[in-house]
Amino acid sequence: DTEVTQTPKHLVMGMTNKKSLKCEQHMGHRAMYWYKQKAKKPPELMFVYSYEKLSINESVPSRFSPECPNSSLLNLHLHALQPEDSALYLCASSQVLATESFNSPLHFGNGTRLTVT
Amino acid sequence: AQKITQTQPGMFVQEKEAVTLDCTYDTSDQSYGLFWYKQPSSGEMIFLIYQGSYDEQNATEGRYSLNFQKARKSANLVISASQLGDSAMYFCAMREALEGNKLVFGAGTILRVKS
Repeated sequence: DTEVTQTPKHLVMGMTNKKSLKCEQHMGHRAMYWYKQKAKKPPELMFVYSYEKLSINESVPSRFSPECPNSSLLNLHLHALQPEDSALYLCASSQVLATESFNSPLHFGNGTRLTVT
Repeated sequence: AQKITQTQPGMFVQEKEAVTLDCTYDTSDQSYGLFWYKQPSSGEMIFLIYQGSYDEQNATEGRYSLNFQKARKSANLVISASQLGDSAMYFCAMREALEGNKLVFGAGTILRVKS
């Protein structure tokens, strides 16, 4: 079983809806990530949180709004999405090491399959 | 420029045989980590194996080994004794210290194990 839990597993929403994706980890990791993955493509980084602060935003449209309420939780708030935003959304976490974070693997959840109608 | 290149879109291997999945990378950073992930059709991304840029020994994890050739900037994954459950998409990925430790993925290789 994965140690990073994502809910819901599937989500269908209209373009005028507001919904949220949730992610939880209890591994004590202080870095958390959102990735977007289209079918048959590699995951693409959206956001990185380090110690509950947003450290990387990969020029993601404002209709995606991340939130990190505490060290275990990561949310992605969705509003006014487009059909092309339909994808698998993956959450991940990793250790933050003082000088060697590049050595630390990301641990992924099972993802949320989002369909925008 | 592509940071991670996986040149094999798809591979077939006979059950119980070994298979090598290719990965080359491009970086000017001295400090980086290389990772392989497996993604079955169900979607979860499973971490398999890791190699650090300063590691002199090739990494091994059970049936997985990483053939790390630093001068050639290659980090190929070798799966020994293939099983039907190994059929999946495999991604090579890299984290660079100078790029904020972002994990960047290659395009992936689909592996099919034949019985």
